[in-house]
Amino acid sequence: GEDVEQSLFLSVREGDSSVINCTYTDSSSTYLYWYKQEPGAGLQLLTYIFSNMDMKQDQRLTVLLNKKDKHLSLRIADTQTGDSAIYFCAGDLGASYSGAGSYQLTFGKGTKLSVIP
Amino acid sequence: DGGITQSPKYLFRKEGQNVTLSCEQNLNHDAMYWYRQDPGQGLRLIYYSQIVNDFQKGDIAEGYSVSREKKESFPLTVTSAQKNPTAFYLCASSIDLTGTSGRELAQYFGPGTRLTVL
Repeated sequence: GEDVEQSLFLSVREGDSSVINCTYTDSSSTYLYWYKQEPGAGLQLLTYIFSNMDMKQDQRLTVLLNKKDKHLSLRIADTQTGDSAIYFCAGDLGASYSGAGSYQLTFGKGTKLSVIP
Repeated sequence: DGGITQSPKYLFRKEGQNVTLSCEQNLNHDAMYWYRQDPGQGLRLIYYSQIVNDFQKGDIAEGYSVSREKKESFPLTVTSAQKNPTAFYLCASSIDLTGTSGRELAQYFGPGTRLTVL
């Protein structure tokens, strides 16, 4: 099976860039995802990257994928207090695909981002 | 607006009681999932369902049961056999694998239900 690892905490000052890192053990993922969870809420899909891409930019978000090192990162430019949340990376697995109609994801444990005003 | 709803938002249960958490989606998704979230442990898969009238156990199914009688609905029952049921429960759904983009293959989550056993 696949492990997806993230550091648990990150603290940055408002206006700085945040970089949240994720490593995974299985390179068969086709898509990798970043989710955001605000306190007491569900997970919100932020962005995703296809495994044949190295980088994807979406407004303040930049996703970098290094397949050789099995490393995924999410950079948030000009971090705001509203970005304070837990961020999860998740990947699909060829091995976890259980047939038509289902698509299992493996999630990291989440990185809690705290933005200091 | 399409989305996933979970009810109730907060639920309190006495020990020894069964309780059912509701999950409804109007996204026309085929697959639905139940996760449990505990502090510092991320998400753990309880059950998932690919199609109506079919469901599979996830990593921590013991003490839980589900049904999938309608495409839109996937209720989760937390039984008295679940030893430590206090947690945040998340329901998700995803389109089937005929989708062609990562966004279509992603799981979309409801707002969650916080269950507390008294």
